[in-house]
Amino acid sequence: RKEVEQDPGPFNVPEGATVAFNCTYSNSASQSFFWYRQDCRKEPKLLMSVYSSGNEDGRFTAQLNRASQYISLLIRDSKLSDSATYLCVVNKGRGNGGSQGNLIFGKGTKLSVKP
Amino acid sequence: DADVTQTPRNRITKTGKRIMLECSQTKGHDRMYWYRQDPGLGLRLIYYSFDVKDINKGEISDGYSVSRQAQAKFSLSLESAIPNQTALYFCATSVRVDWKNINEQFFGPGTRLTVL
Repeated sequence: RKEVEQDPGPFNVPEGATVAFNCTYSNSASQSFFWYRQDCRKEPKLLMSVYSSGNEDGRFTAQLNRASQYISLLIRDSKLSDSATYLCVVNKGRGNGGSQGNLIFGKGTKLSVKP
Repeated sequence: DADVTQTPRNRITKTGKRIMLECSQTKGHDRMYWYRQDPGLGLRLIYYSFDVKDINKGEISDGYSVSRQAQAKFSLSLESAIPNQTALYFCATSVRVDWKNINEQFFGPGTRLTVL
């Protein structure tokens, strides 16, 4: 199983649509989870952290299922400006070599919102 | 604004040349990282540094070296560049963490390197 796995997409959706991205991770010892956004040829930027209880930031909702080692991101009422690649990110965790604080980045899911 | 900067932003070089990519930060963060990003492969960690005297190899360190000249500066060198090192390179920083609270990383704008 890959350390962090995402559907690469692309997801092509109309404005106003609701879209959901899923991500799985392999190390049960991981304890920090994030969604980053990356625009084309730009640097990744933190979109939101993901907490066990689930969290919401405006149109964005993140969920974590530790038992299934699964993370999700829901975007409601999609805007043209939401078009980007969304990266699922997990800390390395113990027992995997390297520093447990290092982050493992998924390959990203590309979203294209059309008028 | 506290920031992470990278120089150069774009570089074209030839096989066998020595190249240095530089990263500076004004965030006051302890930790600095170098990643490369290739289409379809995502971000991969090359080296990381927890402070000036602590340098660690990441998953793909072969062909690269680093220098942490100061808390705010972390440079990446390609001693003898080869075409498969053509990629987008990112520097990132983060604060010191403990096992309960892994903090986000902040990225520089990237350096696009082409090795001919």
